[in-house]
Amino acid sequence: NAGVMQNPRHLVRRRGQEARLRCSPMKGHSHVYWYRQLPEEGLKFMVYLQKENIIDESGMPKERFSAEFPKEGPSILRIQQVVRGDSAAYFCASSPALRYGYTFGSGTRLTVV
Amino acid sequence: TQLLEQSPQFLSIQEGENLTVYCNSSSVFSSLQWYRQEPGEGPVLLVTVVTGGEVKKLKRLTFQFGDARKDSSLHITAAQPGDTGLYLCAGLTQGGSEKLVFGKGTKLTVNP
Repeated sequence: NAGVMQNPRHLVRRRGQEARLRCSPMKGHSHVYWYRQLPEEGLKFMVYLQKENIIDESGMPKERFSAEFPKEGPSILRIQQVVRGDSAAYFCASSPALRYGYTFGSGTRLTVV
Repeated sequence: TQLLEQSPQFLSIQEGENLTVYCNSSSVFSSLQWYRQEPGEGPVLLVTVVTGGEVKKLKRLTFQFGDARKDSSLHITAAQPGDTGLYLCAGLTQGGSEKLVFGKGTKLTVNP
């Protein structure tokens, strides 16, 4: 009964490269959320997805960031042409339905050099 | 924008002391959740409170949801070093797509 699986745990990218972060939700969970965490700033909502649908992307930067949750496979958060300001911990969470608590993964720590 | 303010931001106490941390907002939330996060890990859900005035106990932790569903508190009795961590409150937004909005957290250190 695996929890939310995120990979990689650590990712180093040079400025201008692409970063791909993966998240496999808990079995039976159809709601997936991505959050970004910077030191002393708390968790910031980025995007809420269900299978093949983006429900709310109000927290996503307008450029370079995209997310998907395909019918098969993990949810992907993609950051194109990374910049140093993208360095942060990115957390994925899943829940079985609205109004349930979230189960978080261990996060991906992205470092842009 | 629905904001949650947590206080204090940092708290360092001795083992055996009691403490209370607060989570306040000007917005009403349909429910409020508390999480604990340890360094290098994701937040772990502690409790969900739904009804205004609700009180929930989890061993030495007591959670309260304000009558107006705008604020909450977490009280820890006889703190232990294992309670050390970042305590986050999160409110479930009303209207539109429901999602959790997080406060910045209270970083608790319990010294032996």
